[in-house]
Amino acid sequence: DAGVTQSPTHLIKTRGQQVTLRCSPISGHKSVSWYQQVLGQGPQFIFQYYEKEERGRGNFPDRFSARQFPNYSSELNVNALLLGDSALYLCASSLAQNMNTEAFFGQGTRLTVV
Amino acid sequence: AQSVSQHNHHVILSEAASLELGCNYSYGGTVNLFWYVQYPGQHLQLLLKYFSGDPLVKGIKGFEAEFIKSKFSFNLRKPSVQWSDTAEYFCAVNAHDMRFGAGTRLTVKP
Repeated sequence: DAGVTQSPTHLIKTRGQQVTLRCSPISGHKSVSWYQQVLGQGPQFIFQYYEKEERGRGNFPDRFSARQFPNYSSELNVNALLLGDSALYLCASSLAQNMNTEAFFGQGTRLTVV
Repeated sequence: AQSVSQHNHHVILSEAASLELGCNYSYGGTVNLFWYVQYPGQHLQLLLKYFSGDPLVKGIKGFEAEFIKSKFSFNLRKPSVQWSDTAEYFCAVNAHDMRFGAGTRLTVKP
């Protein structure tokens, strides 16, 4: 079975540009969460989506947005990129929204802002 | 919101040494607790989880963790580490959404 897949794997953008990252969850999983992992730190929670609705949001500026599609895949958008947005962006999927579920992570998208 | 603290940033051990990695969280309500591992070049993988019941939980590869509610702790242990355990270890707490600690890098010398 395919795990969580993310695309692209690597990306280089210029300051001020916009970027869209994509995530396909494990088949049957309805919840998708996004995390930002800066080098040397743990993943920081950005968003959780369940059944196409935002169910949780971390402490990130409004430049970050996301959505979930009817097939449960998800996109993370970041506008007006800053150098500090350079990080590994992780997507995790789980069966349900509640806390009693394990999250499965993708390999991540490495974003470099120059 | 909940937060997670991992006390050790980098731990270096020789093979066969015992391991204990500390994890404390701050949240007054019910939480679910996890340890994830990230091997070099690989994605985050679940080592073990605690939802309820026996506070001593066993995971994969000989790892175990003990939930001590009074101390808000969920420390990870392994009696005898192997070179292949070299990785980054993350403690995570899920109350409303999953929050991670900063991680502990474990280096096991052969």
